[in-house]
Amino acid sequence: QKEVEQNSGPLSVPEGAIASLNCTYSDRVSQSFFWYRQYSGKSPELIMSIYSNGDKEDGRFTAQLNKASQYVSLLIRDSQPSDSATYLCAVNNFNAGKSTFGDGTTLTVKP
Amino acid sequence: NAGVMQNPRHLVRRRGQEARLRCSPVKGHSHVYWYRQLPEEGLKFMVYLQKENIIDESGMPKERFSAEFPKEGPSILRIQQVVRGDSAAYFCASSPRDENTEAFFGQGTRLTVV
Repeated sequence: QKEVEQNSGPLSVPEGAIASLNCTYSDRVSQSFFWYRQYSGKSPELIMSIYSNGDKEDGRFTAQLNKASQYVSLLIRDSQPSDSATYLCAVNNFNAGKSTFGDGTTLTVKP
Repeated sequence: NAGVMQNPRHLVRRRGQEARLRCSPVKGHSHVYWYRQLPEEGLKFMVYLQKENIIDESGMPKERFSAEFPKEGPSILRIQQVVRGDSAAYFCASSPRDENTEAFFGQGTRLTVV
C-alpha cells in the first residue's frame, strides 16, 4: 500500500462545475496536510494547508480533513480552465520530518 | 517559492558523465529536500538534509547518488556515471523547520542523459 494515494484520474469537469480531488494516507500519526498544484513543466506550488479535522476554505478552494478516516480532499468550486493542472497531496509526519507526496491527479477543466 | 534557487535549469549529460545539481534554499531555511519526478509520474522523495547532516536518505538509490548540504553554500545533488534512466526533473524544496511546515519548491533542474 502506498503511503499517500490519490484518485488516479485524469479528472475532467466542465467549466463552472465543482472538482473533487481525494487523498488517503496510511500513517496515522501524520500531522499536517498540503495540496500543491503543478502545471505541466513547472514546479509544484502550495495552494492549501490543513492541520485539524474539518473544512478550510480559501476562495474557491476548500480542503477537508478527516483524521479518523485518514482522508483529505480538495474541492474546487466554479472550476476554471486555468485550474487545469496536476494536484498533489502531501502528508507530513513530524518524526519523519518530510512530506510524502501522492502521485497526483490530473484535472482538466473544459470550457 | 521564488526564493528557492536551483541551477542549472536544464542539464544535458552523456552516459557515464557526472551531473551536479545545485539548490540554494530560501534565506533562513535550514532544511532541504530533494525530489525526483520521472516523465508522466509523481514526485518521489529522495533525501532530506539539514545543514551538514543527512537526516533521511531512504529515497536515494544506493549507488551513484549522493547529496550534501554544507555549512556554507548550496545543497548539491550529485549523480555519478549517469544513465538514461536518470533523465528526470529534480526538484529541491526548503523549509524553516521540519514540523508542520510546507515545503517551498525551486523551479527544478531537468536532466537529460543522452
